[in-house]
Amino acid sequence: AQSVTQLDSQVPVFEEAPVELRCNYSSSVSVYLFWYVQYPNQGLQLLLKYLSGSTLVKGINGFEAEFNKSQTSFHLRKPSVHISDTAEYFCAVSSNFGNEKLTFGTGTRLTIIP
Amino acid sequence: DGGITQSPKYLFRKEGQNVTLSCEQNLNHDAMYWYRQDPGQGLRLIYYSQIVNDFQKGDIAEGYSVSREKKESFPLTVTSAQKNPTAFYLCASSLISGGLYNEQFFGPGTRLTVL
Repeated sequence: AQSVTQLDSQVPVFEEAPVELRCNYSSSVSVYLFWYVQYPNQGLQLLLKYLSGSTLVKGINGFEAEFNKSQTSFHLRKPSVHISDTAEYFCAVSSNFGNEKLTFGTGTRLTIIP
Repeated sequence: DGGITQSPKYLFRKEGQNVTLSCEQNLNHDAMYWYRQDPGQGLRLIYYSQIVNDFQKGDIAEGYSVSREKKESFPLTVTSAQKNPTAFYLCASSLISGGLYNEQFFGPGTRLTVL
């Protein structure tokens, strides 16, 4: 079984400031890791994913995340946020057995303050 | 334009009525999924299907039913046995290929309100 913990349910950040959204996972097997973004009343869009290789992965809209196996973390970062980044962000995990089932965290609502 | 269509976007039903949510994809994806989203709880898997005429229960299947008669369609029925059906429902699909992970693509969602 696997699980995902997003400790911060809400994160307010001033415009142009950096942000880090935290994600920790638990799994007894190797995993794939994902960050999705959801704008109000819309579906989810993939921001970035870690499958293998370099532990620093870059995604769309200037976001990046670092896979840390020893700390079982996959934190999402952006050096300078914009008003348009206001959304809910979900971390998700899948086992790497070719089964595409995802387990999601509870989400972090990012609010950008002008 | 390829993608996933969910209809309707908003749905209202009286308590005790069954209701069916539509999900159609033209991406030629093998697998399809239904998730339920509640505030502060993230997304939880209801049912998924990897091939036509076959489907498996997810984490919260009680009170729901599905069918997969066509590759492109995966309707979800919320039955009167579902104790708290008001939620945002998301459909997703993905390819299945041995040895490789395939991204799930999500539809725009249906917000169901039971009065």
